[in-house]
Amino acid sequence: TQLLEQSPQFLSIQEGENLTVYCNSSSVFSSLQWYRQEPGEGPVLLVTVVTGGEVKKLKRLTFQFGDARKDSSLHITAAQPGDTGLYLCAESKGAQKLVFGQGTRLTINP
Amino acid sequence: DTEVTQTPKHLVMGMTNKKSLKCEQHMGHRAMYWYKQKAKKPPELMFVYSYEKLSINESVPSRFSPECPNSSLLNLHLHALQPEDSALYLCASSQGVMGRPYEQYFGPGTRLTVT
Repeated sequence: TQLLEQSPQFLSIQEGENLTVYCNSSSVFSSLQWYRQEPGEGPVLLVTVVTGGEVKKLKRLTFQFGDARKDSSLHITAAQPGDTGLYLCAESKGAQKLVFGQGTRLTINP
Repeated sequence: DTEVTQTPKHLVMGMTNKKSLKCEQHMGHRAMYWYKQKAKKPPELMFVYSYEKLSINESVPSRFSPECPNSSLLNLHLHALQPEDSALYLCASSQGVMGRPYEQYFGPGTRLTVT
């Protein structure tokens, strides 16, 4: 069974700092999604990465997919309190199943 | 429009009650999902409907009964639940096997408390 490991589990930093969170797997991803979930809400899709070595940017967020497609990272530049939330990576298993990592709970302090 | 709506937002029910959760999407998606999320845990898949037919049941107890009346609607009927079933229930949809099936769009969830 493929496991998605996210690190760190918790991260609390000051506004304006940079941070990186990671998602790793024991085997190759077919595709990987990153979601952000705020308390009491559903996850919101941020990005999908498919190709090894791929880099995607979404404003201050930069997503990288490892060359071997076994790892991914999310880098946030100049973090803001609005970035606070649970960041989940997820891999599609077959055509319909989505398997989530345990998540990184991020807190940005003003 | 990338919105998935869920009602109710909150639900409190006793162990002998029967209630239903509702989900709706108007994105033309042909796959719809129910997830259960406990506090501080990631979502766990319960059911998948593809083209209005149940395609995946992740060994969910029969006290949870899904229904897909049409391609836009998904219900979850609840009966004789246990307190440990208290959780956030999330609905999601995706294009289905012909599109980008792995991109799922989630609703805001129903916070269920079983007393």
